[in-house]
Amino acid sequence: AQSVAQPEDQVNVAEGNPLTVKCTYSVSGNPYLFWYVQYPNRGLQFLLKYITGDNLVKGSYGFEAEFNKSQTSFHLKKPSALVSDSALYFCAVRGTGRRALTFGSGTRLQVQP
Amino acid sequence: EPEVTQTPSHQVTQMGQEVILRCVPISNHLYFYWYRQILGQKVEFLVSFYNNEISEKSEIFDDQFSVERPDGSNFTLKIRSTKLEDSAMYFCASSAGTVEAFFGQGTRLTVV
Repeated sequence: AQSVAQPEDQVNVAEGNPLTVKCTYSVSGNPYLFWYVQYPNRGLQFLLKYITGDNLVKGSYGFEAEFNKSQTSFHLKKPSALVSDSALYFCAVRGTGRRALTFGSGTRLQVQP
Repeated sequence: EPEVTQTPSHQVTQMGQEVILRCVPISNHLYFYWYRQILGQKVEFLVSFYNNEISEKSEIFDDQFSVERPDGSNFTLKIRSTKLEDSAMYFCASSAGTVEAFFGQGTRLTVV
């Protein structure tokens, strides 16, 4: 079975400050890890992925994520938050040989001006 | 930029009626998926489709659900006899292979 935990329902950060949205996972075999963002009344928009290689992956809009195998984590980060980053963020995992993505419950990011 | 398109954006149907949700995946993609998100809850996998057959499905995807690729461009999800608990946002997605899936804007299904 594969599962994802996003321990924070909401993260509040001031504009210009760094942000972190946490994600831990459980999966058989090597994980494929993803972050998606959902703006109000919109679909899920792909941000970044980890398949293999460097533990720090860079994605769209200045976001990056760090894969930590020993902690089974894949936290999303950004050095300087923008008000426009305010949205719902989902972490997702897929195990080797699987097609299905398993999503976390989502974390609402609120960036205050 | 290519995108997955879904129609309609919102569908209201009476309990017991059949509904068909439509999707046009990105044109060179080979894998197709349906997910759903009940209001306030997680995004849940329903089914994946490859080479004209279901490659994986979840427990949610019971006999009331079916998928079809009727032509070279459309991918549909049919719910045979809708129940109140089928009310959700349904997302179609597609991928080129063992990489990220791209999602459509969703169809909000309301069963009354």
